[in-house]
Amino acid sequence: GAVVSQHPSRVICKSGTSVKIECRSLDFQATTMFWYRQFPKQSLMLMATSNEGSKATYEQGVEKDKFLINHASLTLSTLTVTSAHPEDSSFYICSARGAGDGNEKLFFGSGTQLSVL
Amino acid sequence: DAKTTQPPSMDCAEGRAANLPCNHSTISGNEYVYWYRQIHSQGPQYIIHGLKNNETNEMASLIITEDRKSSTLILPHATLRDTAVYYCIVTSGTYKYIFGTGTRLKVLA
Repeated sequence: GAVVSQHPSRVICKSGTSVKIECRSLDFQATTMFWYRQFPKQSLMLMATSNEGSKATYEQGVEKDKFLINHASLTLSTLTVTSAHPEDSSFYICSARGAGDGNEKLFFGSGTQLSVL
Repeated sequence: DAKTTQPPSMDCAEGRAANLPCNHSTISGNEYVYWYRQIHSQGPQYIIHGLKNNETNEMASLIITEDRKSSTLILPHATLRDTAVYYCIVTSGTYKYIFGTGTRLKVLA
């Protein structure tokens, strides 16, 4: 099956620094990628949708200047948490969907655990 | 908001069938039902999906009621490795997957 690679799997950073998370589709071209965050014992919360070559669409309540998303190619999307603070500590998960009729299943990365000190 | 409702938790004996229900009473005609599961600290794993017919693959079976307002995921012979949170998602060409609270399945030895 299709594989989505997410890197790094875990990152610890100091408050005020920026952290970049990469999401790659390894064996298919992902026209659309999604970014989620998940707090302990809670469900996944959709943060934003990114389409290759265009600006990301953010969900209500998600700060676009805080969470910068770039989807510059059909196989790579990045999420940058800018000026991270302890409240940004969370599990971040990306997912990707290939091109098609719109009902292709999503493939998820393995997630990135971000801890901000 | 998620368009699905699932029981928060279920237990199942190892080797027995696990039947996980999902209500999606507001599903529209072009929306599919997807099932994923998430094992602790990993990304969700695809299990199965369907539109209106029952579906079966190597992992599970999906039974969708005739009115499509509910569905059941069946793991025919649950093992300890099936312990996970199972999510039922209804989506269409909007491309968004909105996760509900899911069902925490615990398979007991």
